[in-house]
Amino acid sequence: AQTVTQSQPEMSVQEAETVTLSCTYDTSESDYYLFWYKQPPSRQMILVIRQEAYKQQNATENRFSVNFQKAAKSFSLKISDSQLGDAAMYFCAYRGWAQKLVFGQGTRLTINP
Amino acid sequence: ETGVTQSPTHLIKTRGQQVTLRCSSQSGHNTVSWYQQALGQGPQFIFQYYREEENGRGNFPPRFSGLQFPNYSSELNVNALELDDSALYLCASSARSYNSPLHFGNGTRLTVT
Repeated sequence: AQTVTQSQPEMSVQEAETVTLSCTYDTSESDYYLFWYKQPPSRQMILVIRQEAYKQQNATENRFSVNFQKAAKSFSLKISDSQLGDAAMYFCAYRGWAQKLVFGQGTRLTINP
Repeated sequence: ETGVTQSPTHLIKTRGQQVTLRCSSQSGHNTVSWYQQALGQGPQFIFQYYREEENGRGNFPPRFSGLQFPNYSSELNVNALELDDSALYLCASSARSYNSPLHFGNGTRLTVT
């Protein structure tokens, strides 16, 4: 069974600074997707960025980028120029051929003005 | 384009009762999945429906059941409610293809007393 681990329950960063959230996963599959979701107090899961395992190039979406290390099974999220609206719970998630999402425990990100 | 909508937003039930949660999938999506998110935890996969049939299930007892209708909307039914069933229940819809992203609703907060 696949597992996803987020070792940082909470992180904080100054506004406009850069922060990196960590995620590791375990799987025996060779083809899969990895995701970072943001969950603000509104409760809706919002897709931030996704990475296809067979692509070596790291995904980037504006201020959000990932560092995908397939051999190490590591998938970290970097947020540049942090903004107050980035404050939320962030979940790392795995999706393989079963198509279900396997989530980590989450990291609560606080942005200090 | 209409997003994923869930109803109700909140409800309170008594232990032993039964509850039905509803989800309308995003236009063009034929697959619906349900997740349970306990307070402070990551979401856990309950099951997935495609073309009105269950085609994947997580580690949840049979008292958790579901339906998908011809218009791809879905229901989650929970019988014999227990206190530990108190959680946020998230519905997500997607197209059937492997690389189709999941779109989540705002969830239903269920409290069992």
